[in-house]
Amino acid sequence: QVQLQQWGSGLLKPSETLSLTCAVYGGSFSGYFWSWIRQPPGKGLEWIGEINYKGITNYNSSLKSRVAISLDTANTQFSLNLSSVTAADTAVYYCARIFAYEGYWVDSWGQGTLVTVSS
Amino acid sequence: DIQMTQSPSSLSASAGDRVSITCRTSQSVSRYLNWYQQKPGKAPELLIYVASSLQRGVPSRFSGSGSGTDFTLTINSLQPEDSATYYCQQGYSNPRTFGQGTKVEV
Repeated sequence: QVQLQQWGSGLLKPSETLSLTCAVYGGSFSGYFWSWIRQPPGKGLEWIGEINYKGITNYNSSLKSRVAISLDTANTQFSLNLSSVTAADTAVYYCARIFAYEGYWVDSWGQGTLVTVSS
Repeated sequence: DIQMTQSPSSLSASAGDRVSITCRTSQSVSRYLNWYQQKPGKAPELLIYVASSLQRGVPSRFSGSGSGTDFTLTINSLQPEDSATYYCQQGYSNPRTFGQGTKVEV
């Protein structure tokens, strides 16, 4: 059973860069997409972007100029960087595994990391 | 972007009731529609994928139907532990948008 464990900076000042990492335990990178999804306090879910096991990325156009997702296959980890953060980026950030064959769904989630942007 | 509209935004029902939540998409997503359950302070969990396939381990009282632009999540014989917020998500195109959520109180 795959497990995703995430960590990273929880408190940022405006204009700083958010950095989160997600480690994948008990599963392979191959054949899946690896994604980041966020949820502002009390609000719904927003898909940030994804990377596949070949390193091909797709990003939400609303964040595309500020976001980068990368893969570390040697350590079965993937990371999110979001630059120039503002208070609007305050949210719980989840890493997720995507099954994308004859469909597309999240079948495993990280535990979530609350990131607060405040001066 | 494909817009997702869930209804109702919240509902209250009694244990044993049957409830339905609707998800409408702004354009056809074929059957690429998923449903998740989220409890407070927890990550969402997958219930239904590709419109009607039940995720392993999910109770059979949950079912999904629909195709194109109109989808339904049905919970038969509602249980107290079903109190949660439910989200639909389209898996048809980027960005993989979610509905705004439906809060179910039992």
